[in-house]
Amino acid sequence: EAQVTQNPRYLITVTGKKLTVTCSQNMNHEYMSWYRQDPGLGLRQIYYSMNVEVTDKGDVPEGYKVSRKEKRNFPLILESPSPNQTSLYFCASSLLADEEKLFFGSGTQLSVL
Amino acid sequence: AQSVAQPEDQVNVAEGNPLTVKCTYSVSGNPYLFWYVQYPNRGLQFLLKYITGDNLVKGSYGFEAEFNKSQTSFHLKKPSALVSDSALYFCAGGRDDKIIFGKGTRLHILP
Repeated sequence: EAQVTQNPRYLITVTGKKLTVTCSQNMNHEYMSWYRQDPGLGLRQIYYSMNVEVTDKGDVPEGYKVSRKEKRNFPLILESPSPNQTSLYFCASSLLADEEKLFFGSGTQLSVL
Repeated sequence: AQSVAQPEDQVNVAEGNPLTVKCTYSVSGNPYLFWYVQYPNRGLQFLLKYITGDNLVKGSYGFEAEFNKSQTSFHLKKPSALVSDSALYFCAGGRDDKIIFGKGTRLHILP
């Protein structure tokens, strides 16, 4: 089954404790992206990747890191999480960045205390 | 700067009535436009897209959207609403490897 898999679904952590949210897709998609969803703000793009070893900042990249060492994986790293990073995070992938539909993961609800 | 606007935070429609969820865009050139739906505790799901061609686009679950270049709009429509259509709807638009999402519109279908 074609899918984007995110883990974990729920995560509670404390300020400053490094964490990684994993994302994997099995559709051989070139394009992958991370979004955060906040009430009243919709989806905002954090980082995206057009292909392996190619990553770019989205609209809200501060406090986040990503890597794309393999085509299928695109982990999101929070080196020193802060409470303002409490949010619902989604990973997505598609064949092409703008013409093709995005496939979304089920989301990761992160709480930073 | 490119932008996508959904002017209504919430839309309430009685079951069986037609529904419209509004979206306007500001994207340079010929935009790619999408609608996605999000059910509780789920990721976004693709409904339909406009790339080029017919201005009326048909999608999943009986939804359709009309592309209007002069009004820069891409409103989502359905002739007869179902209670199960209640969800959060996102319009998205883009060009040149950039996709921007609107803030979302919560659709409530009243039984």
